[in-house]
Amino acid sequence: RKEVEQDPGPFNVPEGATVAFNCTYSNSASQSFFWYRQDCRKEPKLLMSVYSSGNEDGRFTAQLNRASQYISLLIRDSKLSDSATYLCVVNLGGSARQLTFGSGTQLTVLP
Amino acid sequence: DTEVTQTPKHLVMGMTNKKSLKCEQHMGHRAMYWYKQKAKKPPELMFVYSYEKLSINESVPSRFSPECPNSSLLNLHLHALQPEDSALYLCASSQDYSGLQETQYFGPGTRLLVL
Repeated sequence: RKEVEQDPGPFNVPEGATVAFNCTYSNSASQSFFWYRQDCRKEPKLLMSVYSSGNEDGRFTAQLNRASQYISLLIRDSKLSDSATYLCVVNLGGSARQLTFGSGTQLTVLP
Repeated sequence: DTEVTQTPKHLVMGMTNKKSLKCEQHMGHRAMYWYKQKAKKPPELMFVYSYEKLSINESVPSRFSPECPNSSLLNLHLHALQPEDSALYLCASSQDYSGLQETQYFGPGTRLLVL
């Protein structure tokens, strides 16, 4: 079983749609969680951290369910510029040296 | 804009060449990382430096040789590479403290092609 598993995608959605990505992690000792986005042929960029109570940043909402070892990312009112690969990233704890990356979910927002 | 810079952006080299990738960060971070990323795959950790000392080597072949001259700079020396080493090489940095929300910040990468 992979340590971090994501929906394989690809997701193709029209502009304005709401789309949700899921991610599960296997290590119950995992301490912190992040979503990164990676545009084609670019570096991963931190989109948002995921807090226990869930958190929102504009059109993006991240949720964490520790009991089910499950993280989600919701994007509302999708824009063309949201097209990217979204990486679920889990930190086992301590410093950031122990990041584990999911394989990513590809999103294409269509006009 | 990223505060981690990498040079060169692109590199083409033959299997007998020696080249170096460079990374610099201006955030005062004390940990720096090298990753290799193939198309449609997540980044794969190669090396971690913490306070200028190598702390993790993920069983990387010796044809890749990292160097950390100071806390802001990280190099990756390449020698006798194989075509399968062609990939995007990403540098990242982090503060390296025990904060739960600490994470890594990536440079733009060097796209390497080995012929």
